[in-house]
Amino acid sequence: SYVLTQPPSVSVAPGQTATITCAGNNIGSYSVHWYQQKPGQAPVLVVSDDTDRPAGIPERFSGSNSGTTATLTISRVEAGDEADYYCQVWDSSNDHYVFGSGTKVTAL
Amino acid sequence: QVHLVESGGGVVQPGRSLGLSCAASGFDFGIYAMHWVRQAPGKGLEWVALMSYNGGVKNYADSVKGRFTISRDNSKNTLYLQMNSLRPEDTAVYYCAKDDLNHGLGTNSWFDSWGQGTLVTVSS
Repeated sequence: SYVLTQPPSVSVAPGQTATITCAGNNIGSYSVHWYQQKPGQAPVLVVSDDTDRPAGIPERFSGSNSGTTATLTISRVEAGDEADYYCQVWDSSNDHYVFGSGTKVTAL
Repeated sequence: QVHLVESGGGVVQPGRSLGLSCAASGFDFGIYAMHWVRQAPGKGLEWVALMSYNGGVKNYADSVKGRFTISRDNSKNTLYLQMNSLRPEDTAVYYCAKDDLNHGLGTNSWFDSWGQGTLVTVSS
């Protein structure tokens, strides 16, 4: 089955840029989606189809995907961005959905 | 506005059964695939099952295949998950999630709305 690997944690100073990676075999050929989950809350979609932002998601959130790594970038990080972030793809080999292990973003 | 409300969670003994429901509102439920996703305490997200908009396609994670059954009643705007032969490792918050694509079969898509979840605890 397909495996997505994320760093457990990323720390960044407020106002700086957070970069969250999601590694997978030839992930550039997949559509990657990203979710934000704050403590005690349900996940929220922040980026779909590699680069698209749903309505209401700030422009500070952006995504890219190429080769073996997809990336979620949060510009000008705010305290309110502290959360767990998960990448997700659909694995066509078994028609299953796969999530990455999640990355905890901390604003120092 | 999409609104998904899960119910039916609780404490159940290993080997027993439990049924979950997800009441949907704010969108045309009958034209969207729906999913169940779970999260064990302190752990990450795990996709559990999907059902296409018309019920013709179902798929399950290997960890629940043969034990869990997903179903839906489009006349009641409700998604269900019947969980049998429950194990301690099934302990999790169970979320229902709406697929993004209308008239989708639940393939190659993503989850654009989520409920708040219902906690299932499997313990003796």
